[in-house]
Formats: sequence, structure tokens, C-alpha cells
Amino acid sequence: DSVLTQSPGTLSLSPGERATLSCRASQIVTNNYLAWYQQKPGQAPRLLIYAASVRATGIPARFTGGGSGTDFTLTINRLEPEDFAVYFCQQYGDSPFTFGPGTKVEIK
Amino acid sequence: EVLLVESGGGLVHPGGSLRLSCEASGFPFSSFAMSWVRQSPGKGLEWVSVIRDSGSGSYYADSVKGRFTISRDNSKSTLYLDMNSLTAADTALYYCAKVPHSGGWYQPFDVWGQGTPVAVSS
Repeated sequence: DSVLTQSPGTLSLSPGERATLSCRASQIVTNNYLAWYQQKPGQAPRLLIYAASVRATGIPARFTGGGSGTDFTLTINRLEPEDFAVYFCQQYGDSPFTFGPGTKVEIK
Repeated sequence: EVLLVESGGGLVHPGGSLRLSCEASGFPFSSFAMSWVRQSPGKGLEWVSVIRDSGSGSYYADSVKGRFTISRDNSKSTLYLDMNSLTAADTALYYCAKVPHSGGWYQPFDVWGQGTPVAVSS
């Protein structure tokens, strides 16, 4: 099974700053089938990025996904107040489809 | 509007069984693979199972293999998860989720329900 590790566990930033989140897989992610989700308290996850770098429908351009193979990043340019949340990466290239433990982006 | 509404969660004793349902609307249900994903209280996400659009194939996480069964009734636009031999480790909020494109199941999840809670306790 592919184990996903996310770092840092918590990121403390101010609105307007840039957030860089990392997701590392224990094995190559097939076809770079790596997704990023945002989750706010009491809500279901929301798909942000899929296939490592493709923004999902309606996702603002400040969210950018990158990377390939085993190392992936999510960058959020100029954090907005609504961006403070937990972010999960997920690989869906091989079963079982695994999630990372999450990175919490909190207001500094 | 694309909607997924889960139901069937509740409190069950260890060793017990439960059937979860997910009613879909706003899209051609029979054309999309569907999954169940769970989230333990205060924890991360764990994919549980996926089923093909036709219902003819499925995969399971090792943690539930042999105890859980995913199925679907395309005539009712409803996804199911039959859970047996439940333990405390199965306590979680269970979400159903759809993939964005018709056909294959190696896809992310673009629409999620709000989840139905399952608590396993004596």
C-alpha cells in the first residue's frame, strides 16, 4: 500500500501569505493520480486539485498543485480568510486509495 | 444540483451489523463509480471501498475486507454499505463520494455527502 506523509503537520500563517504544503508517497503514484482536498470543521472534504496539477471546477487560481512521482506540493498564494482549514492529499492510482494525515493551515 | 445523502448510521454493539445507504440525485448515477470513505472522530480520512458504475466489480480496504460489502441499485440511484462484525475501530463518520467522470474508478472524489455517523460501543 502507498503510504502518504504530509508536512508540516500545522502551518501558521497570516492572510495574504503563501502556503506551501508537501505530500510524499512511499511509492511512485501511478499516472501522478494525486489529489488535494480541503476540509473545514463540520464539512465534507472539497476537491481542489487532481492529477497532481489540475484544478477542479470552481477552484480559484491561487491554488496550485505540482510535483510528480513521489513528491507533490500544494501552494496557496495570498491566503484568504476562508483558506484556513485542513488539507489532505490522496493517491488514487492504485488500490487501496490512500489519504495523507493532513496539514492544518491556521491563522497566525 | 448533484446531491448525495447518506443514512443508516447509528449506535451498534461490537459484533453487530449495520447497513448504510447513499441516495444520489442530479446526475446519471449508473454511469459513475462510487466510493465510501470514513473519518474517525478528530482523525484523518480512510478510503473504505469502491464499486464500478455497473456494480460488477469492487475493491475494499484491508481493514474492512471480508466484513463489509458495497453494492448499488442503479434503478434507485442508491449506494449501500453492509457492515458486519463491527468493532470500535469502525466508529467513524461514513461518507459516500462520486468520481467526476463516467467510466473508470481510478479517479478522485468530486462530490461528497455530508456523512452518516456510526458508533460501535457496548
